[in-house]
Amino acid sequence: QVQLVQSGAEVKKPGTSVKVSCKASGSTFSGDYFHWVRRAPGQGLEWLGRVSHNTGHTEYGQKFQGRVTMTRDTSVTTAYMELSSLTPDDTAVYYCARRPPAPGMDVWGQGTTVTVSS
Amino acid sequence: EIVLTQSPLSLPVTPGESASISCRSSLSLLHSDGRYYLDWYLQKPGQPPQLLIRAASTRASGVPDRFSGSGSGSDFTLTISAVAAEDVGDYYCMQALHAETFGPGTKVEIK
Repeated sequence: QVQLVQSGAEVKKPGTSVKVSCKASGSTFSGDYFHWVRRAPGQGLEWLGRVSHNTGHTEYGQKFQGRVTMTRDTSVTTAYMELSSLTPDDTAVYYCARRPPAPGMDVWGQGTTVTVSS
Repeated sequence: EIVLTQSPLSLPVTPGESASISCRSSLSLLHSDGRYYLDWYLQKPGQPPQLLIRAASTRASGVPDRFSGSGSGSDFTLTISAVAAEDVGDYYCMQALHAETFGPGTKVEIK
């Protein structure tokens, strides 16, 4: 059974960047994708993008193009999401999720709270 | 970008009664593999989202059989046949055909 464990909460100043990690343990597939989703206070779920565990290929949501970078390190089965030029509107809980070679994100991390405040 | 709309946005329910949530897409979600790339998720308060239904109608592992998904083309429905108190939370449809986008969410609460 796959588990995803994310890094701890972050407090950042506007204009800076944040990097969140997501470590996978248990059985993963080479065809897995790791997705990043956030939920801001009072808002719904928002998809930021995904990174292929196998190839490192990425696809980003239109809103985040140019501001988000997703990477992975297969040697430690960890995915990373870096978001730059932070504003208070980026205050949210950020989740990673695994999508195996089949529809549906079936395993989720516990979430990482990112607070952007001056 | 594919846009999803959900209705209703708020759904008060009585335990034991049936409830349905509609999700409409701005484009057909039929993939070349013959499946519809439309999933349903539930986020309970204080928890990460959980997968309920994948590919429009396949229940995820461990999901109670009171949850079912149906639909085709650009029109989909999540049905809870007999709502239980633990089903309260925010329900989202999500398309995975072209990038991914979520619907706005439906808040289900007990009357």
